[in-house]
Amino acid sequence: EAGVAQSPRYKIIEKRQSVAFWCNPISGHATLYWYQQILGQGPKLLIQFQNNGVVDDSQLPKDRFSAERLKGVDSTLKIQPAKLEDSAVYLCASSLGISTNEKLFFGSGTQLSVL
Amino acid sequence: AQKVTQAQTEISVVEKEDVTLDCVYETRDTTYYLFWYKQPPSGELVFLIRRNSFDEQNEISGRYSWNFQKSTSSFNFTITASQVVDSAVYFCALSESSGGYQKVTFGTGTKLQVIP
Repeated sequence: EAGVAQSPRYKIIEKRQSVAFWCNPISGHATLYWYQQILGQGPKLLIQFQNNGVVDDSQLPKDRFSAERLKGVDSTLKIQPAKLEDSAVYLCASSLGISTNEKLFFGSGTQLSVL
Repeated sequence: AQKVTQAQTEISVVEKEDVTLDCVYETRDTTYYLFWYKQPPSGELVFLIRRNSFDEQNEISGRYSWNFQKSTSSFNFTITASQVVDSAVYFCALSESSGGYQKVTFGTGTKLQVIP
């Protein structure tokens, strides 16, 4: 079974530039999550999708971050324009359903450096 | 208020020693799940164990064991006879229901270094 795929693996940009990350969850997984992990911290939820609908984006900085999961499968997270404090690893995860006992499956992440 | 607290930032042990990772959580829900995930240097978080709020029976799975105490809101994780491959960052996570959906909150992680 293929795992959660993310690309690119690394990205270096200058502040005020735009960047996009892509995630393809495990086949059949209805729930998709984007987490931001700043160095030395735990993952922080940015946005959560159930199929192609957003169920939680309360911590997403909506003035600069956007995400979509148009067909309920893969997803794109965009930052426009990037700030220095956006330097982090962006993790995508998926789970089969919505129950509290669901374990999350993570991709390898995209490491973003904003200069 | 932080919902999941991992007070140990870094721990170093010598190979074959036992090590316990502490986790304290906060929730108003009566039904919830607790998880431990491992993040090796490759970066991908991997599920290790989970426990529901109604089951305080402690278990052992291979070299892993966990101690869940609802009275103290703690969910500690022990690795017995540690190995170099156990070196990683370990995250405790709390899963609650929010608006009918799963909401997962992670702690700040404990970096474990196992020295050969």
